[in-house]
Amino acid sequence: KQEVTQIPAALSVPEGENLVLNCSFTDSAIYNLQWFRQDPGKGLTSLLLIQSSQREQTSGRLNASLDKSSGRSTLYIAASQPGDSATYLCAVTPPGGGADGLTFGKGTHLIIQP
Amino acid sequence: DTGVSQDPRHKITKRGQNVTFRCDPISEHNRLYWYRQTLGQGPEFLTYFQNEAQLEKSRLLSDRFSAERPKGSFSTLEIQRTEQGDSAMYLCASSLVGGSGYTFGSGTRLTVV
Repeated sequence: KQEVTQIPAALSVPEGENLVLNCSFTDSAIYNLQWFRQDPGKGLTSLLLIQSSQREQTSGRLNASLDKSSGRSTLYIAASQPGDSATYLCAVTPPGGGADGLTFGKGTHLIIQP
Repeated sequence: DTGVSQDPRHKITKRGQNVTFRCDPISEHNRLYWYRQTLGQGPEFLTYFQNEAQLEKSRLLSDRFSAERPKGSFSTLEIQRTEQGDSAMYLCASSLVGGSGYTFGSGTRLTVV
């Protein structure tokens, strides 16, 4: 059974710092990996999708990497801002393109101090 | 098309009552998923549809839960005889076959009192 772990569980940093969120998964046979953002009491917003054949994806100040063989992904946030405060969730899709649904980690709760 | 829509946003119900939630996916997406999320946890897979066919159900989906997608468009999730343990955020997502990524709705927050 696939398990996804996110470290750290919570992180509080001053505005302007660069930071790294970690995600690991136990079964390297994945179809893709997706990072989401969730604001309190809200749904999930997709940030980045990395296909299993890709190594990284970038969107603005966000960069996500994927090392499928070691079962790891990182989300790098550059020049953090108070508006980045949210919970960040990592999720993997099983082989077959999602037939069995995503497996999520518990998330990293991020606070950016003004 | 503005994304995945869920209704209602919030629902408070008394224990033992039945509740029904609705999800309208992105129109061209043929897969639709239901997830449940409790406080401090990541979302957990409940069930998914490809077009109108329900192809997979998690063991989390007890007999009190039923989901439908009658015409392969919107979906409903019904919980019968609600229990306090059903209190959670219920999230709907849609995708295209082929793993192009998932789009989630804003969720329905259920509170059973």
